[in-house]
Amino acid sequence: DQQVKQNSPSLSVQEGRISILNCDYTNSMFDYFLWYKKYPAEGPTFLISISSIKDKNEDGRFTVFLNKSAKHLSLHIVPSQPGDSAVYFCAASDNQAGTALIFGKGTTLSVSS
Amino acid sequence: EAGVAQSPRYKIIEKRQSVAFWCNPISGHATLYWYQQILGQGPKLLIQFQNNGVVDDSQLPKDRFSAERLKGVDSTLKIQPAKLEDSAVYLCASTTGQGAYNEQFFGPGTRLTVL
Repeated sequence: DQQVKQNSPSLSVQEGRISILNCDYTNSMFDYFLWYKKYPAEGPTFLISISSIKDKNEDGRFTVFLNKSAKHLSLHIVPSQPGDSAVYFCAASDNQAGTALIFGKGTTLSVSS
Repeated sequence: EAGVAQSPRYKIIEKRQSVAFWCNPISGHATLYWYQQILGQGPKLLIQFQNNGVVDDSQLPKDRFSAERLKGVDSTLKIQPAKLEDSAVYLCASTTGQGAYNEQFFGPGTRLTVL
């Protein structure tokens, strides 16, 4: 039973436009959410995170929004750049249960110039 | 600051053989994780260490997988005997403390192919 779901396997966006990657979760005990970016043959690299007490966190071109009532979060990239082309993983943790991350299956973002 | 190191980067073995992976975390990071990433899936936790003690190994297939972190620094993950379904990328990650509020840093992974 997948606790973190990324229902869109892929997303294609033109350079300069907004990219919106979505993530849904089922476990209401999750209290911390992260986005990781992964290039081929490399490990995932941390991008941005948000605590469950917030509904928005911004870092440069990247913003994560959290809707707890809908158990939904999204990552916005504005403006998108070709170098953003990668696999994006949504991850969550329940710090009362432990610190390991539960990952979604990932969304492959392609940004064309 | 050096990142998480893993070796080998690639390994091909036949089923029923054994294999070992090595991980050296970022200096000073007390918590170390091993994740398994099967093609098309997200990483899944196998085992978590805090210093040289096991915190969580509930998802480790203990009949064939073992892991150790004897001196609280580097770690090895072993599979014996390997099965076809063990083909995956094995990722090591480390972080400074126990809270997930500490960002986990991942190594490049070891890609295992079992024939």
